[in-house]
Amino acid sequence: QVQLVESGGGLVKPGESLRLSCAASGFVFSDYYMSWIRQAPGKGLEWVSHISNSGSAIYYAGSLKGRFTISRDNAKNSLYLQMNSLRAEDTAVYYCARDRRGYSYGIDAFDVWGQGTMVTVSS
Amino acid sequence: DIQMTQSPSTLSASVGDRVTITCRASQSISRWLAWYQQKPGKAPKLLIYMASGLESGVPSRFSGSGSGTEFTLTISSLQPDDFATYYCQQYDPYSRTFGQGTKVEIK
Repeated sequence: QVQLVESGGGLVKPGESLRLSCAASGFVFSDYYMSWIRQAPGKGLEWVSHISNSGSAIYYAGSLKGRFTISRDNAKNSLYLQMNSLRAEDTAVYYCARDRRGYSYGIDAFDVWGQGTMVTVSS
Repeated sequence: DIQMTQSPSTLSASVGDRVTITCRASQSISRWLAWYQQKPGKAPKLLIYMASGLESGVPSRFSGSGSGTEFTLTISSLQPDDFATYYCQQYDPYSRTFGQGTKVEIK
Protein backbone atom coordinates (compact mmCIF):
# COMPACT_ATOMS: atom_id res chain seq x y z
CA GLN A 1 0.00 0.00 0.00
CA VAL A 2 0.97 3.66 -0.24
CA GLN A 3 3.40 4.36 2.57
CA LEU A 4 5.94 6.89 3.80
CA VAL A 5 8.44 5.98 6.50
CA GLU A 6 10.69 8.61 8.07
CA SER A 7 13.98 7.86 9.79
CA GLY A 8 17.08 9.63 11.05
CA GLY A 9 15.70 11.50 14.04
CA GLY A 10 17.43 11.57 17.39
CA LEU A 11 19.06 13.68 20.09
CA VAL A 12 21.65 16.21 18.96
CA LYS A 13 23.39 19.19 20.55
CA PRO A 14 22.80 22.80 19.48
CA GLY A 15 24.86 23.64 16.42
CA GLU A 16 25.05 20.05 15.19
CA SER A 17 23.62 18.60 11.98
CA LEU A 18 21.18 15.80 11.19
CA ARG A 19 19.85 14.23 8.01
CA LEU A 20 16.33 12.89 7.87
CA SER A 21 15.14 10.37 5.30
CA CYS A 22 11.69 9.42 4.06
CA ALA A 23 11.26 6.12 2.21
CA ALA A 24 8.29 5.95 -0.14
CA SER A 25 6.53 2.84 -1.38
CA GLY A 26 3.32 1.84 -3.12
CA PHE A 27 3.22 4.67 -5.65
CA VAL A 28 5.31 6.21 -8.44
CA PHE A 29 7.47 8.47 -6.27
CA SER A 30 8.89 10.41 -9.22
CA ASP A 31 5.40 11.64 -10.13
CA TYR A 32 4.72 13.50 -6.88
CA TYR A 33 5.69 16.72 -5.14
CA MET A 34 6.86 16.01 -1.60
CA SER A 35 7.12 18.06 1.57
CA TRP A 36 8.49 18.15 5.10
CA ILE A 37 6.28 19.42 7.92
CA ARG A 38 7.21 19.63 11.59
CA GLN A 39 5.36 19.84 14.88
CA ALA A 40 7.01 21.01 18.09
CA PRO A 41 5.81 19.29 21.28
CA GLY A 42 2.31 20.49 22.11
CA LYS A 43 2.29 22.94 19.20
CA GLY A 44 0.72 23.19 15.77
CA LEU A 45 1.89 22.09 12.36
CA GLU A 46 4.59 24.06 10.56
CA TRP A 47 5.39 23.55 6.89
CA VAL A 48 9.16 23.32 6.39
CA SER A 49 9.85 22.78 2.68
CA HIS A 50 8.59 21.23 -0.51
CA ILE A 51 10.24 19.88 -3.64
CA SER A 52 8.81 19.26 -7.09
CA ASN A 53 8.71 15.77 -8.56
CA SER A 54 11.90 16.34 -10.56
CA GLY A 55 13.65 18.31 -7.83
CA SER A 56 13.88 21.40 -10.01
CA ALA A 57 11.60 23.55 -7.82
CA ILE A 58 12.28 23.89 -4.10
CA TYR A 59 10.75 26.20 -1.51
CA TYR A 60 11.35 26.74 2.20
CA ALA A 61 9.59 28.41 5.06
CA GLY A 62 11.12 31.82 5.59
CA SER A 63 11.84 31.13 9.26
CA LEU A 64 14.52 28.53 8.42
CA LYS A 65 17.06 31.11 7.22
CA GLY A 66 18.90 28.74 4.90
CA ARG A 67 19.79 26.12 7.52
CA PHE A 68 17.76 23.28 5.99
CA THR A 69 18.11 21.62 2.56
CA ILE A 70 15.50 19.38 0.98
CA SER A 71 16.44 16.86 -1.71
CA ARG A 72 15.19 13.67 -3.28
CA ASP A 73 16.53 10.60 -5.06
CA ASN A 74 13.83 9.27 -7.38
CA ALA A 75 15.88 6.17 -8.16
CA LYS A 76 15.82 5.27 -4.47
CA ASN A 77 12.23 6.47 -3.85
CA SER A 78 13.57 8.67 -1.08
CA LEU A 79 13.17 12.19 0.24
CA TYR A 80 15.74 13.87 2.47
CA LEU A 81 16.07 16.84 4.81
CA GLN A 82 19.55 18.02 5.73
CA MET A 83 19.37 20.14 8.87
CA ASN A 84 22.39 22.22 9.90
CA SER A 85 23.12 24.56 12.81
CA LEU A 86 20.30 23.01 14.79
CA ARG A 87 18.68 25.01 17.58
CA ALA A 88 16.51 24.09 20.54
CA GLU A 89 13.51 25.52 18.69
CA ASP A 90 13.99 22.92 15.93
CA THR A 91 12.92 20.23 18.41
CA ALA A 92 9.87 18.62 16.82
CA VAL A 93 8.36 15.61 15.16
CA TYR A 94 9.23 15.82 11.47
CA TYR A 95 6.76 14.40 8.97
CA CYS A 96 7.14 13.83 5.26
CA ALA A 97 4.00 14.09 3.15
CA ARG A 98 2.87 13.60 -0.44
CA ASP A 99 0.76 15.88 -2.59
CA ARG A 100 -2.65 14.40 -3.31
CA ARG A 101 -2.26 14.27 -7.10
CA GLY A 102 0.67 13.85 -9.44
CA TYR A 103 2.86 16.63 -10.79
CA SER A 104 0.75 17.27 -13.88
CA TYR A 105 -1.97 18.69 -11.60
CA GLY A 106 0.33 21.12 -9.81
CA ILE A 107 0.37 21.90 -6.10
CA ASP A 108 -2.15 20.05 -3.94
CA ALA A 109 -3.07 19.13 -0.38
CA PHE A 110 -1.21 16.39 1.50
CA ASP A 111 -3.01 13.06 1.32
CA VAL A 112 -0.33 10.69 2.60
CA TRP A 113 1.78 11.30 5.68
CA GLY A 114 4.50 9.30 7.38
CA GLN A 115 4.40 8.45 11.06
CA GLY A 116 7.01 11.10 11.87
CA THR A 117 10.51 11.06 13.33
CA MET A 118 11.42 12.94 16.50
CA VAL A 119 14.30 15.39 16.53
CA THR A 120 15.46 16.70 19.90
CA VAL A 121 18.03 19.47 20.10
CA SER A 122 19.42 19.82 23.59
CA SER A 123 22.75 20.22 25.33
CA ASP B 1 4.39 34.28 3.54
CA ILE B 2 0.61 33.98 3.64
CA GLN B 3 -0.70 33.86 7.21
CA MET B 4 -3.63 31.66 8.21
CA THR B 5 -5.75 32.43 11.28
CA GLN B 6 -8.23 29.94 12.71
CA SER B 7 -11.03 30.57 15.18
CA PRO B 8 -11.83 29.53 17.76
CA SER B 9 -8.66 28.02 19.22
CA THR B 10 -10.72 25.67 21.38
CA LEU B 11 -14.30 24.58 20.98
CA SER B 12 -16.38 22.62 23.51
CA ALA B 13 -19.25 20.67 22.03
CA SER B 14 -21.47 17.66 22.59
CA VAL B 15 -22.13 14.61 20.46
CA GLY B 16 -24.73 15.56 17.85
CA ASP B 17 -23.83 19.26 17.79
CA ARG B 18 -23.24 21.15 14.57
CA VAL B 19 -19.71 22.57 14.69
CA THR B 20 -18.17 25.30 12.55
CA ILE B 21 -14.51 26.32 12.43
CA THR B 22 -13.35 29.42 10.56
CA CYS B 23 -10.06 30.02 8.78
CA ARG B 24 -8.95 33.37 7.37
CA ALA B 25 -6.05 33.99 4.98
CA SER B 26 -3.96 37.16 5.00
CA GLN B 27 -4.47 37.47 1.24
CA SER B 28 -6.64 35.82 -1.36
CA ILE B 29 -5.83 32.15 -1.92
CA SER B 30 -8.73 31.45 -4.30
CA ARG B 31 -9.83 27.96 -3.20
CA TRP B 32 -6.38 26.53 -2.48
CA LEU B 33 -7.30 25.43 1.03
CA ALA B 34 -7.28 22.11 2.85
CA TRP B 35 -8.53 20.90 6.22
CA TYR B 36 -6.88 18.20 8.33
CA GLN B 37 -7.84 16.31 11.47
CA GLN B 38 -5.15 15.27 13.93
CA LYS B 39 -5.44 13.04 16.98
CA PRO B 40 -2.78 12.88 19.71
CA GLY B 41 0.34 11.02 18.66
CA LYS B 42 -0.88 10.55 15.08
CA ALA B 43 -0.13 12.13 11.74
CA PRO B 44 -2.74 14.54 10.36
CA LYS B 45 -5.47 13.17 8.12
CA LEU B 46 -6.74 15.03 5.06
CA LEU B 47 -10.47 15.81 5.22
CA ILE B 48 -11.10 18.53 2.64
CA TYR B 49 -9.13 19.78 -0.38
CA MET B 50 -9.77 22.72 -2.71
CA ALA B 51 -11.93 24.32 0.01
CA SER B 52 -14.88 21.98 -0.47
CA GLY B 53 -13.67 18.70 -1.98
CA LEU B 54 -14.33 15.73 0.33
CA GLU B 55 -11.36 13.36 0.48
CA SER B 56 -12.17 9.75 -0.31
CA GLY B 57 -13.28 7.81 2.75
CA VAL B 58 -14.11 10.88 4.83
CA PRO B 59 -17.66 10.87 6.27
CA SER B 60 -20.14 13.19 4.60
CA ARG B 61 -20.84 14.99 7.89
CA PHE B 62 -17.65 16.94 7.14
CA SER B 63 -17.99 19.80 4.66
CA GLY B 64 -15.96 22.82 3.64
CA SER B 65 -16.85 26.12 2.04
CA GLY B 66 -15.42 29.49 1.17
CA SER B 67 -13.08 31.20 -1.25
CA GLY B 68 -10.70 34.12 -1.32
CA THR B 69 -9.79 34.83 2.29
CA GLU B 70 -12.54 33.24 4.40
CA PHE B 71 -13.25 29.55 4.79
CA THR B 72 -15.23 27.27 7.07
CA LEU B 73 -15.16 23.63 8.08
CA THR B 74 -18.50 22.28 9.29
CA ILE B 75 -19.22 19.03 11.07
CA SER B 76 -22.96 18.54 10.73
CA SER B 77 -23.43 16.17 13.68
CA LEU B 78 -20.41 15.70 15.93
CA GLN B 79 -19.50 12.07 16.60
CA PRO B 80 -17.31 10.65 19.38
CA ASP B 81 -14.52 9.97 16.86
CA ASP B 82 -14.46 13.64 15.84
CA PHE B 83 -12.94 15.00 19.06
CA ALA B 84 -9.53 16.07 17.76
CA THR B 85 -7.56 19.09 16.57
CA TYR B 86 -8.35 20.56 13.15
CA TYR B 87 -5.98 22.55 10.96
CA CYS B 88 -6.55 24.58 7.84
CA GLN B 89 -3.72 24.92 5.31
CA GLN B 90 -3.25 27.07 2.25
CA TYR B 91 -1.22 25.73 -0.64
CA ASP B 92 0.17 28.08 -3.22
CA PRO B 93 3.12 27.38 -5.54
CA TYR B 94 5.65 28.84 -3.07
CA SER B 95 4.47 27.98 0.43
CA ARG B 96 2.06 25.82 2.40
CA THR B 97 1.03 27.62 5.60
CA PHE B 98 -1.07 26.03 8.36
CA GLY B 99 -3.47 27.70 10.73
CA GLN B 100 -2.71 27.42 14.44
CA GLY B 101 -5.32 24.70 14.97
CA THR B 102 -8.71 24.32 16.63
CA LYS B 103 -9.12 21.76 19.38
CA VAL B 104 -12.61 20.26 19.56
CA GLU B 105 -13.26 19.07 23.11
CA ILE B 106 -16.07 17.20 24.78
CA LYS B 107 -18.48 19.52 26.57
